[in-house]
Amino acid sequence: GAGVSQSPSNKVTEKGKDVELRCDPISGHTALYWYRQSLGQGLEFLIYFQGNSAPDKSGLPSDRFSAERTGGSVSTLTIQRTQQEDSAVYLCASSLMGVAYNEQFFGPGTRLTVL
Amino acid sequence: AQTVTQSQPEMSVQEAETVTLSCTYDTSESNYYLFWYKQPPSRQMILVIRQEAYKQQNATENRFSVNFQKAAKSFSLKISDSQLGDTAMYFCAFIYQGGSEKLVFGKGTKLTVNP
Repeated sequence: GAGVSQSPSNKVTEKGKDVELRCDPISGHTALYWYRQSLGQGLEFLIYFQGNSAPDKSGLPSDRFSAERTGGSVSTLTIQRTQQEDSAVYLCASSLMGVAYNEQFFGPGTRLTVL
Repeated sequence: AQTVTQSQPEMSVQEAETVTLSCTYDTSESNYYLFWYKQPPSRQMILVIRQEAYKQQNATENRFSVNFQKAAKSFSLKISDSQLGDTAMYFCAFIYQGGSEKLVFGKGTKLTVNP
């Protein structure tokens, strides 16, 4: 595909369940980012992957959140024991290198609703 | 820590007119990048324009231009000849050059272009 894709587009889950959100970056992009966009808020940085380097996890809000990137391509964001405050749009982005030097391309996001 | 403030939660403009969106930021760094992103109802974030802090010349992209005032830490976006397709959320963002890859976003301005 030409752009960043994310699946599912929408996810409704019950409090306490685990969810996995998937991101397919643009082919060849070495940098991958996850952001969270809560209602009425800007984007909040969660985690950053760059090539084979250790990810920057400093934005993850709790240990219920984790992410991995397999083979330097697809990434999965996992939220365990979901809480209602986890309801948000989760956006993934990729860039050829770091964002300061190259444009960051965003996916359409996954809207997560925790009941 | 860097912060980005967008003081106008909502704005509206008539088609073909000009509108200016405000953004201020707070940082002790001297080398950084600033961005304006557009997020239409489709949720797809699109880069509108970027500005390198070391450049005094204001960036322009067709109908979009910025007024970058480094001393005042102000970075406003001017949209000329507004079109219906400009209706979207607009986010101002900051990143420190040479540091972490975290984009810091403002909370956004919802712009409506009226026919």
